[in-house]
Amino acid sequence: EAGVVQSPRYKIIEKKQPVAFWCNPISGHNTLYWYRQNLGQGPELLIRYENEEAVDDSQLPKDRFSAERLKGVDSTLKIQPAELGDSAVYLCASSLDTFPGQGSYEQYFGPGTRLTVT
Amino acid sequence: GNSVTQMEGPVTLSEEAFLTINCTYTATGYPSLFWYVQYPGEGLQLLLKATKADDKGSNKGFEATYRKETTSFHLEKGSVQVSDSAVYFCALRNNQGGKLIFGQGTELSVKP
Repeated sequence: EAGVVQSPRYKIIEKKQPVAFWCNPISGHNTLYWYRQNLGQGPELLIRYENEEAVDDSQLPKDRFSAERLKGVDSTLKIQPAELGDSAVYLCASSLDTFPGQGSYEQYFGPGTRLTVT
Repeated sequence: GNSVTQMEGPVTLSEEAFLTINCTYTATGYPSLFWYVQYPGEGLQLLLKATKADDKGSNKGFEATYRKETTSFHLEKGSVQVSDSAVYFCALRNNQGGKLIFGQGTELSVKP
């Protein structure tokens, strides 16, 4: 079974430029997450989707970040314009939450996209 | 709000030494607790989990026990190997589902 796929793996851009990250979750997983991991820190949630609905985007900086999950499968996270402080690893994860509201379902993580803003 | 605190790293051990990485949490209700591991150049992988008080999660020789009275979930291994060198993250997820809340990670380096 294929894992969570992310692309690109690495991206270097200049500040004020746009950038987009793509995620393909594990087949059949209904819940998709985007996390940001700053250097030396644990991941922090940006947005969570249940199917195609964003159910938690409280930590997403909506002035410059946007995300979509068309048809409840693939997802794209965009930053426009990028700032120096956006340099981080962006992680996508997915889970199969058979009974929404249970906390024990495993989240499977992709390898991440390392973004460097210069 | 919910939070997780881990002991700071890096932790450097000799092969076959005993490992403990401390993790304490603050949460309302009864969260599920997890340990994730991140090997160099790889993504986060679930190492073990526990879903209720006094549960013990175990995998690959690692184990952790969910202690509600001390709000802790310390990771232990009796004899570490060089291949265990990685960054270890403690995390919680409340039982209403949703996001994982991670600690800051503890880097483990095992020397031969």
